[in-house]
Amino acid sequence: AQSVSQHNHHVILSEAASLELGCNYSYGGTVNLFWYVQYPGQHLQLLLKYFSGDPLVKGIKGFEAEFIKSKFSFNLRKPSVQWSDTAEYFCAVNAQGDYKLSFGAGTTVTVRA
Amino acid sequence: DGGITQSPKYLFRKEGQNVTLSCEQNLNHDAMYWYRQDPGQGLRLIYYSQIVNDFQKGDIAEGYSVSREKKESFPLTVTSAQKNPTAFYLCASSPRQGETPLHFGNGTRLTVT
Repeated sequence: AQSVSQHNHHVILSEAASLELGCNYSYGGTVNLFWYVQYPGQHLQLLLKYFSGDPLVKGIKGFEAEFIKSKFSFNLRKPSVQWSDTAEYFCAVNAQGDYKLSFGAGTTVTVRA
Repeated sequence: DGGITQSPKYLFRKEGQNVTLSCEQNLNHDAMYWYRQDPGQGLRLIYYSQIVNDFQKGDIAEGYSVSREKKESFPLTVTSAQKNPTAFYLCASSPRQGETPLHFGNGTRLTVT
C-alpha cells in the first residue's frame, strides 16, 4: 500500500512570498498524484493532478506541481501567494488502476496580509 | 448545480447510540466514498461503493456500516462499536468505477459524548 508524507504541518508567510509544500510518497509502481485544497468553511476541492506526460503540472489559481519520479516527490508551488490562499492543502496518491486514494496529513497555510 | 450534499453539518450523540450520516449526490456518479478526517492524520478511507448494491471496506471500516440501495445515496452508520467516533466525516464521489474521488461534500462533524 502507498503512503504519503507532507513535510510541513503549518506554514506561515506574508503576501507575495513564494510557497513550496513538500510531498513524498512511498510506492514502487506507477502512480497518479493529486493536490487538494480546503479553504476555511468550504469543501475539499481538486487543485491539480498528474496522471502522465509533462511532469510539471499547472493547476487552478496559479499553483503548479512538479513530479520527480526519482525522488518520489510531488511538490506544490506558487510564486506569489495571496491572503486568499490561506487554506489546508492535502497531497494524495493512488496506484494507477486502484480506486483508493491515500492522503497526506495536510499542511495548513496561513498567509498574512 | 450538481454536487454532493451531506447532512447534517453538525451532529451530536451520546455514547452507545448508533448514528447515520447522510450523503446524496446528483452528479450521476457511479462511485461513492466515505472518509474520516482527523487533525494531523489526513483523510482515511472508511468504505467505498463502485456500483449500486455493492460496497467494500476501506482502511478503517471497523465500527461503521453503509448501504447503497440507490445510485445517488450512500449513508454511513457510525455504530456504538466504533471506539473513537468523534471526527469530521467526508463523503466523495467519482464518475466511473475505479476512478479516484474528485468531488467532495462539505462534511459532517460528529461529536459523541
